[in-house]
Amino acid sequence: DIQMTQSPSSLSASVGDRVTITCQASQDISNYLNWYQQKPGKAPKLLIYDASNLETGVPSRFSGSGSGTDFTFTISSLQPEDIATYYCQQYDNLPPLFGQGTKLEIK
Amino acid sequence: EVQLVESGGVVVQPGGSLRLSCAASGFTFDDYTMHWVRQAPGKGLEWVSLISWDGGSTYYADSVKGRFTISRDNSKNSLYLQMNSLRTEDTALYYCAKDRSDAEILDNWGQGTLVSVSS
Repeated sequence: DIQMTQSPSSLSASVGDRVTITCQASQDISNYLNWYQQKPGKAPKLLIYDASNLETGVPSRFSGSGSGTDFTFTISSLQPEDIATYYCQQYDNLPPLFGQGTKLEIK
Repeated sequence: EVQLVESGGVVVQPGGSLRLSCAASGFTFDDYTMHWVRQAPGKGLEWVSLISWDGGSTYYADSVKGRFTISRDNSKNSLYLQMNSLRTEDTALYYCAKDRSDAEILDNWGQGTLVSVSS
């Protein structure tokens, strides 16, 4: 199985800050990576697919980059409504495992 | 609008069985692979199982293989998860999710149904 390692596991930032989360795959997954947002008490929501493609309706302050084994998720200017846990997920091979999540809080 | 509504979650004793259902609407159900994903209380997301559009292909996480069975009834726009030999570690919120295009991109999720395995 391809393991996904996210860092950090938690993050505290101020409104307006640039926030970056990383995800590392245990082997080359090309660009077969998704990012999801899960707000407290809610179902996950797809934000980015194919490592860098923004899902329809998702604000442009969210972005993703990377290929191979190293990936980055960025919020260019943190908003209060971005408080959530963020997960990466690979889909190069089955099973499509998730990273352990990054909990984002407002400082 | 895509809607996925899970049901069937209850409190069950270890070793017991349970069937979860997911009612789908707002899209052509039999065009898409479907998934179950679970989340234990206070923990992260764990992928559980997938089934192809026609039910011909299924895949399971090692943690549930041999105990859970995924199925679908395209005539009823419904997805199921039969859960046998339940363990305390199966306690979780179970989500059904729609795949974008057989690529394990989960683009729509239900709100989940809670399964609690406890004596």
